[in-house]
Amino acid sequence: EMQLVESGGGLVQPGGSLRLSCAASGFTFSSYEMHWVRQAPGKGLEWVSYISIRGDTVYYSDSVRGRFSVSRDNAKNSLYLQMNNLRAEDTALYYCARGDLPDGFDIWGQGTMVTVSS
Amino acid sequence: DIQMTQSPSSLSASVGDRVTITCRASQAISNYLAWYQEKPGKVPKLLMYAIDTLQSGVPSRFSGSGSGTEFNLTIRSLQPEDVSTYYCLKYNTAPYIFGQGTKLEIK
Repeated sequence: EMQLVESGGGLVQPGGSLRLSCAASGFTFSSYEMHWVRQAPGKGLEWVSYISIRGDTVYYSDSVRGRFSVSRDNAKNSLYLQMNNLRAEDTALYYCARGDLPDGFDIWGQGTMVTVSS
Repeated sequence: DIQMTQSPSSLSASVGDRVTITCRASQAISNYLAWYQEKPGKVPKLLMYAIDTLQSGVPSRFSGSGSGTEFNLTIRSLQPEDVSTYYCLKYNTAPYIFGQGTKLEIK
């Protein structure tokens, strides 16, 4: 079964840092682009970050650029999101998603909750 | 950057009705337009990709259409289990943009 499992969420104070992980299984992780998507409580979906197959190309939304950093370890079938200088508005459920053309974001994890509050 | 405007933001319809949700892009985009269904407390589910390709396992009452700047998701005969929030997604290149969402309810 193709699966993505996020971890690393939690409660953090404003200005703090957190590192999210996403473990992939059931498919060849190294063959797929990956994304992070978030959803604030009661709000819609927001794309956060993209990473290419080899990790040499990354993109970020304007809201996180300069504070978040995406990376991957294909040997460990894992995706990461390093989040620094966190703000209250970063509070959300963070999903990792497999990206593919033409299929779009076709596999999603269950999400990990990040709460930024003092 | 391209903006994606989804409408309506909410919709109430009767079982058996034909329902259409629209996503408009501020400029022409390629064929990489997808639709997602999100039920409360659940992970978003891919319904349609490349405008009109039905994801495996999705009921055939769902269909996609459009080109250029206007795209539609149509439910041919609304069923109670279709109560959800629906999102479009532009995914050809960064920035990847979701529509604002359409909350669909049963009358």
